[in-house]
Amino acid sequence: AQSVTQLGSHVSVSEGALVLLRCNYSSSVPPYLFWYVQYPNQGLQLLLKYTSAATLVKGINGFEAEFKKSETSFHLTKPSAHMSDAAEYFCAVSGGYQKVTFGTGTKLQVIP
Amino acid sequence: NAGVTQTPKFQVLKTGQSMTLQCAQDMNHNSMYWYRQDPGMGLRLIYYSASEGTTDKGEVPNGYNVSRLNKREFSLRLESAAPSQTSVYFCASRDRTTYEQYFGPGTRLTVT
Repeated sequence: AQSVTQLGSHVSVSEGALVLLRCNYSSSVPPYLFWYVQYPNQGLQLLLKYTSAATLVKGINGFEAEFKKSETSFHLTKPSAHMSDAAEYFCAVSGGYQKVTFGTGTKLQVIP
Repeated sequence: NAGVTQTPKFQVLKTGQSMTLQCAQDMNHNSMYWYRQDPGMGLRLIYYSASEGTTDKGEVPNGYNVSRLNKREFSLRLESAAPSQTSVYFCASRDRTTYEQYFGPGTRLTVT
């Protein structure tokens, strides 16, 4: 069984401030973990992924995430928010090549 | 290289009507997925297909059927639409090597 919990359905940050979006997972096998971004009226696109290599993963648009097994977490961060980062972000877990389970999403608002 | 395509983009149905959502991918991926997205609930897996000729239920399969017509195409059928099936439907395929999912643009379905 696998599951994802995203804390905070809405997060607001000021432009230039740190972005931190939280994701905790549960998996009965070593997980693969993903962050996806969705802009309004679009599909999802991959930001970054963890597939058992380096625990600190860098993605597109300056985002990164750290896999912490002891905390079962995979939080997404960006040092300085930009207006264009306003979107909905989804964390996802997969125990292998089959099912992928998504969290409920976090909407990021960036305040000028 | 079109990626993942979905038709139609929008559809309005009356309760009890049937329809088929079409999905095709040109990336030679074995796995394909159907999700529904509802506000505050993230993406929920309806059905997936690990390879041509196989399909498996996801979290919310009731009221839906699928067909993996060939490696490229994976269709989702609503036999008797209900208002609870009003949602945005996303199709995705998955790269076996990188584990990444690629999403279509979505179908916005309203059942009245």
